[in-house]
Amino acid sequence: DQQVKQNSPSLSVQEGRISILNCDYTNSMFDYFLWYKKYPAEGPTFLISISSIKDKNEDGRFTVFLNKSAKHLSLHIVPSQPGDSAVYFCAASSEFSSNTGKLIFGQGTTLQVKP
Amino acid sequence: DVKVTQSSRYLVKRTGEKVFLECVQDMDHENMFWYRQDPGLGLRLIYFSYDVKMKEKGDIPEGYSVSREKKERFSLILESASTNQTSMYLCASSLAGAVLLEKLFFGSGTQLSVL
Repeated sequence: DQQVKQNSPSLSVQEGRISILNCDYTNSMFDYFLWYKKYPAEGPTFLISISSIKDKNEDGRFTVFLNKSAKHLSLHIVPSQPGDSAVYFCAASSEFSSNTGKLIFGQGTTLQVKP
Repeated sequence: DVKVTQSSRYLVKRTGEKVFLECVQDMDHENMFWYRQDPGLGLRLIYFSYDVKMKEKGDIPEGYSVSREKKERFSLILESASTNQTSMYLCASSLAGAVLLEKLFFGSGTQLSVL
Protein backbone atom coordinates (compact mmCIF):
# COMPACT_ATOMS: atom_id res chain seq x y z
CA ASP A 1 0.00 0.00 0.00
CA GLN A 2 1.75 3.11 -1.28
CA GLN A 3 1.20 5.92 1.22
CA VAL A 4 3.10 8.45 -0.86
CA LYS A 5 2.44 8.43 -4.59
CA GLN A 6 4.09 10.18 -7.48
CA ASN A 7 1.88 9.22 -10.38
CA SER A 8 4.03 10.69 -13.13
CA PRO A 9 7.13 8.57 -13.69
CA SER A 10 8.67 11.17 -15.98
CA LEU A 11 8.41 14.80 -17.02
CA SER A 12 10.12 16.68 -19.82
CA VAL A 13 10.25 20.49 -19.98
CA GLN A 14 12.13 23.12 -21.97
CA GLU A 15 14.89 25.10 -20.33
CA GLY A 16 13.55 28.33 -18.82
CA ARG A 17 10.01 27.00 -18.40
CA ILE A 18 8.31 25.89 -15.20
CA SER A 19 8.56 22.30 -13.98
CA ILE A 20 5.76 21.04 -11.75
CA LEU A 21 6.18 17.75 -9.96
CA ASN A 22 3.24 16.31 -8.09
CA CYS A 23 2.87 14.08 -5.05
CA ASP A 24 -0.20 12.65 -3.31
CA TYR A 25 -0.39 11.02 0.09
CA THR A 26 -2.99 8.96 1.91
CA ASN A 27 -1.96 9.11 5.56
CA SER A 28 -3.53 12.12 7.28
CA MET A 29 -1.01 11.72 10.10
CA PHE A 30 1.83 12.94 7.89
CA ASP A 31 2.95 16.30 9.19
CA TYR A 32 6.22 16.95 7.42
CA PHE A 33 7.05 16.68 3.75
CA LEU A 34 10.30 16.79 1.87
CA TRP A 35 11.65 16.65 -1.66
CA TYR A 36 14.89 14.89 -2.47
CA LYS A 37 16.82 15.01 -5.72
CA LYS A 38 18.90 12.16 -7.07
CA TYR A 39 21.47 12.14 -9.83
CA PRO A 40 22.63 8.84 -11.36
CA ALA A 41 25.34 7.08 -9.35
CA GLU A 42 24.75 9.38 -6.37
CA GLY A 43 22.62 9.18 -3.26
CA PRO A 44 19.53 11.41 -2.91
CA THR A 45 20.14 14.87 -1.51
CA PHE A 46 17.70 17.06 0.37
CA LEU A 47 16.10 19.83 -1.69
CA ILE A 48 13.26 21.51 0.20
CA SER A 49 10.74 20.75 2.93
CA ILE A 50 7.44 21.95 4.33
CA SER A 51 5.63 21.32 7.57
CA SER A 52 1.89 20.82 7.74
CA ILE A 53 1.38 24.18 9.43
CA LYS A 54 2.36 25.92 6.20
CA ASP A 55 0.97 25.81 2.70
CA LYS A 56 4.00 27.16 0.86
CA ASN A 57 7.76 27.20 1.25
CA GLU A 58 10.15 28.86 -1.15
CA ASP A 59 13.89 28.50 -1.63
CA GLY A 60 15.29 30.27 -4.66
CA ARG A 61 13.96 28.65 -7.82
CA PHE A 62 12.20 25.93 -5.83
CA THR A 63 8.77 26.26 -4.22
CA VAL A 64 6.76 23.55 -2.53
CA PHE A 65 3.00 23.89 -2.13
CA LEU A 66 0.94 21.83 0.29
CA ASN A 67 -2.82 21.29 0.04
CA LYS A 68 -3.75 19.34 3.15
CA SER A 69 -7.42 18.98 2.32
CA ALA A 70 -6.51 17.33 -0.98
CA LYS A 71 -3.53 15.49 0.54
CA HIS A 72 -1.43 16.83 -2.28
CA LEU A 73 1.85 18.62 -2.62
CA SER A 74 3.74 19.93 -5.58
CA LEU A 75 7.24 21.12 -6.34
CA HIS A 76 7.64 24.04 -8.72
CA ILE A 77 10.99 24.81 -10.35
CA VAL A 78 11.19 28.19 -12.06
CA PRO A 79 13.04 28.65 -14.31
CA SER A 80 14.06 25.09 -15.07
CA GLN A 81 17.69 24.46 -15.96
CA PRO A 82 19.38 21.47 -17.63
CA GLY A 83 21.23 20.80 -14.36
CA ASP A 84 17.85 20.14 -12.73
CA SER A 85 17.54 16.93 -14.75
CA ALA A 86 17.37 14.22 -12.09
CA VAL A 87 14.98 11.92 -10.26
CA TYR A 88 12.87 13.74 -7.68
CA PHE A 89 11.47 11.91 -4.68
CA CYS A 90 8.67 13.16 -2.49
CA ALA A 91 8.86 11.99 1.13
CA ALA A 92 6.65 12.31 4.19
CA SER A 93 6.86 11.74 7.90
CA SER A 94 4.31 11.34 10.66
CA GLU A 95 6.95 11.53 13.33
CA PHE A 96 7.81 15.19 13.42
CA SER A 97 7.94 15.09 17.17
CA SER A 98 10.00 11.94 17.41
CA ASN A 99 13.64 11.21 17.13
CA THR A 100 13.59 8.45 14.60
CA GLY A 101 13.43 10.56 11.46
CA LYS A 102 11.62 7.85 9.55
CA LEU A 103 10.55 8.92 6.06
CA ILE A 104 8.14 7.33 3.58
CA PHE A 105 9.18 7.95 -0.03
CA GLY A 106 7.24 8.09 -3.25
CA GLN A 107 8.19 6.28 -6.45
CA GLY A 108 10.08 9.19 -7.91
CA THR A 109 9.65 11.34 -11.02
CA THR A 110 12.41 11.63 -13.58
CA LEU A 111 12.70 15.22 -14.77
CA GLN A 112 14.42 16.02 -18.04
CA VAL A 113 15.09 19.66 -18.82
CA LYS A 114 15.94 20.15 -22.49
CA PRO A 115 18.32 22.97 -23.53
CA ASP B 1 30.73 17.63 5.09
CA VAL B 2 28.90 14.53 6.24
CA LYS B 3 30.09 11.42 4.56
CA VAL B 4 28.16 8.18 4.33
CA THR B 5 30.26 5.49 2.77
CA GLN B 6 28.98 2.23 1.39
CA SER B 7 31.66 -0.40 1.00
CA SER B 8 30.81 -1.55 -2.51
CA ARG B 9 29.42 0.25 -5.54
CA TYR B 10 28.56 -2.96 -7.40
CA LEU B 11 28.13 -6.48 -6.05
CA VAL B 12 27.25 -9.72 -7.81
CA LYS B 13 26.23 -12.71 -5.71
CA ARG B 14 24.68 -16.11 -6.28
CA THR B 15 21.31 -17.29 -5.00
CA GLY B 16 21.60 -18.66 -1.47
CA GLU B 17 24.75 -16.78 -0.58
CA LYS B 18 24.99 -14.75 2.62
CA VAL B 19 25.58 -11.12 1.71
CA PHE B 20 26.87 -8.28 3.87
CA LEU B 21 26.39 -4.65 2.89
CA GLU B 22 28.41 -2.25 4.99
CA CYS B 23 27.77 1.41 5.71
CA VAL B 24 29.89 3.83 7.69
CA GLN B 25 29.15 7.46 8.59
CA ASP B 26 31.63 9.92 9.98
CA MET B 27 29.43 12.52 11.69
CA ASP B 28 28.44 10.79 14.92
CA HIS B 29 24.83 10.43 13.78
CA GLU B 30 22.44 8.52 16.03
CA ASN B 31 20.06 7.36 13.30
CA MET B 32 20.98 5.06 10.44
CA PHE B 33 18.77 3.59 7.73
CA TRP B 34 18.78 1.03 4.96
CA TYR B 35 16.57 1.62 1.92
CA ARG B 36 16.24 -0.19 -1.37
CA GLN B 37 15.40 1.61 -4.58
CA ASP B 38 13.48 -0.17 -7.33
CA PRO B 39 11.96 1.26 -10.53
CA GLY B 40 8.35 2.23 -10.03
CA LEU B 41 8.54 1.61 -6.29
CA GLY B 42 10.83 4.40 -5.15
CA LEU B 43 12.75 4.14 -1.91
CA ARG B 44 11.47 1.61 0.59
CA LEU B 45 12.72 1.37 4.15
CA ILE B 46 14.14 -2.00 5.14
CA TYR B 47 15.49 -1.40 8.65
CA PHE B 48 16.61 1.50 10.74
CA SER B 49 18.51 2.03 13.96
CA TYR B 50 18.38 4.97 16.34
CA ASP B 51 21.15 3.84 18.64
CA VAL B 52 23.90 1.28 18.98
CA LYS B 53 22.51 -2.24 19.20
CA MET B 54 18.98 -0.91 18.58
CA LYS B 55 17.07 -1.79 15.43
CA GLU B 56 13.58 -1.32 14.11
CA LYS B 57 11.87 -2.98 11.17
CA GLY B 58 10.95 -0.78 8.27
CA ASP B 59 8.35 -1.51 5.64
CA ILE B 60 10.03 -4.47 3.94
CA PRO B 61 12.26 -6.30 6.46
CA GLU B 62 11.57 -9.82 5.22
CA GLY B 63 14.72 -11.61 4.11
CA TYR B 64 17.00 -9.05 5.76
CA SER B 65 18.65 -8.50 9.10
CA VAL B 66 20.89 -5.72 10.41
CA SER B 67 23.68 -5.19 12.87
CA ARG B 68 24.79 -2.03 14.65
CA GLU B 69 27.63 -2.81 17.03
CA LYS B 70 29.24 0.62 16.72
CA LYS B 71 27.61 4.00 16.31
CA GLU B 72 29.27 4.74 12.98
CA ARG B 73 28.59 1.40 11.29
CA PHE B 74 25.32 -0.16 10.15
CA SER B 75 25.36 -3.47 8.31
CA LEU B 76 22.62 -5.00 6.20
CA ILE B 77 22.64 -8.79 5.97
CA LEU B 78 20.92 -10.95 3.40
CA GLU B 79 20.92 -14.36 5.08
CA SER B 80 20.21 -16.26 1.86
CA ALA B 81 20.18 -14.02 -1.17
CA SER B 82 17.38 -14.42 -3.68
CA THR B 83 16.89 -12.97 -7.16
CA ASN B 84 14.11 -10.66 -5.94
CA GLN B 85 16.68 -8.94 -3.75
CA THR B 86 18.46 -7.62 -6.82
CA SER B 87 18.22 -3.88 -6.24
CA MET B 88 19.99 -0.62 -5.47
CA TYR B 89 20.61 -0.42 -1.71
CA LEU B 90 21.00 2.98 -0.10
CA CYS B 91 22.27 3.67 3.38
CA ALA B 92 21.46 6.93 5.15
CA SER B 93 22.15 8.60 8.46
CA SER B 94 20.83 11.54 10.46
CA LEU B 95 21.12 13.21 13.82
CA ALA B 96 18.34 12.54 16.31
CA GLY B 97 15.74 15.28 16.52
CA ALA B 98 12.65 16.09 14.54
CA VAL B 99 13.80 19.46 13.28
CA LEU B 100 16.63 17.75 11.53
CA LEU B 101 14.43 15.47 9.47
CA GLU B 102 15.73 17.03 6.29
CA LYS B 103 19.27 16.33 7.36
CA LEU B 104 19.13 12.78 6.08
CA PHE B 105 22.38 12.02 4.33
CA PHE B 106 22.64 9.20 1.85
CA GLY B 107 25.49 7.12 0.60
CA SER B 108 26.02 6.60 -3.13
CA GLY B 109 24.38 3.20 -3.08
CA THR B 110 25.30 -0.42 -3.75
CA GLN B 111 23.86 -2.05 -6.86
CA LEU B 112 23.40 -5.70 -5.90
CA SER B 113 22.72 -8.34 -8.51
CA VAL B 114 21.72 -11.81 -7.35
CA LEU B 115 22.10 -14.44 -10.05
